[in-house]
Amino acid sequence: NAGVTQTPKFRILKIGQSMTLQCTQDMNHNYMYWYRQDPGMGLKLIYYSVGAGITDKGEVPNGYNVSRSTTEDFPLRLELAAPSQTSVYFCASSYHGQSEAFFGQGTRLTVV
Amino acid sequence: DQQVKQNSPSLSVQEGRISILNCDYTNSMFDYFLWYKKYPAEGPTFLISISSIKDKNEDGRFTVFLNKSAKHLSLHIVPSQPGDSAVYFCAASVTGGTSYGKLTFGQGTILTVHP
Repeated sequence: NAGVTQTPKFRILKIGQSMTLQCTQDMNHNYMYWYRQDPGMGLKLIYYSVGAGITDKGEVPNGYNVSRSTTEDFPLRLELAAPSQTSVYFCASSYHGQSEAFFGQGTRLTVV
Repeated sequence: DQQVKQNSPSLSVQEGRISILNCDYTNSMFDYFLWYKKYPAEGPTFLISISSIKDKNEDGRFTVFLNKSAKHLSLHIVPSQPGDSAVYFCAASVTGGTSYGKLTFGQGTILTVHP
């Protein structure tokens, strides 16, 4: 059972570089989310999607973009990396809005 | 404006005793509450949830209590085991309308259970 798979697990970026964090789920969930967790803080929602072709901003969307072309995949794009984007990123999915979310193992990103 | 707060950054408990983790919220629109457990280098895993129409939900050693008037919930773990040592996050959501299951998380409480 793969569940939610995130790649890469670790990445170091230089300021101004761009990258895509990959997320895929095999549970046929409609709802997918991207969260970031800063040290000593809870998770904050970056973007979410309620189905293929539909995305919307969360609490902290600035500096990020997403797309949802299939039910399975929900990549997160950083265009111009900044030190403030150093964080651990978690992708999650849920069957519907009233069910628990399943999380990936996270991507630890450092911007230097 | 932190809508979900876990005011205890850490909690230390002896094996076999009860662990009580607390969570407060300010948004009265929240109607679904969840607890997640997180081990280092792993993603959060779902533990237990409660709807606002209930005041208690049990699952084995884990019980969540909800006090809507006080906007407070707590997670009880009895008996505590060393394997329960982890970071525990409280989360809340609004299930109706256009909330789409978006979760608002507390800061987390580090639970350490000593053998």
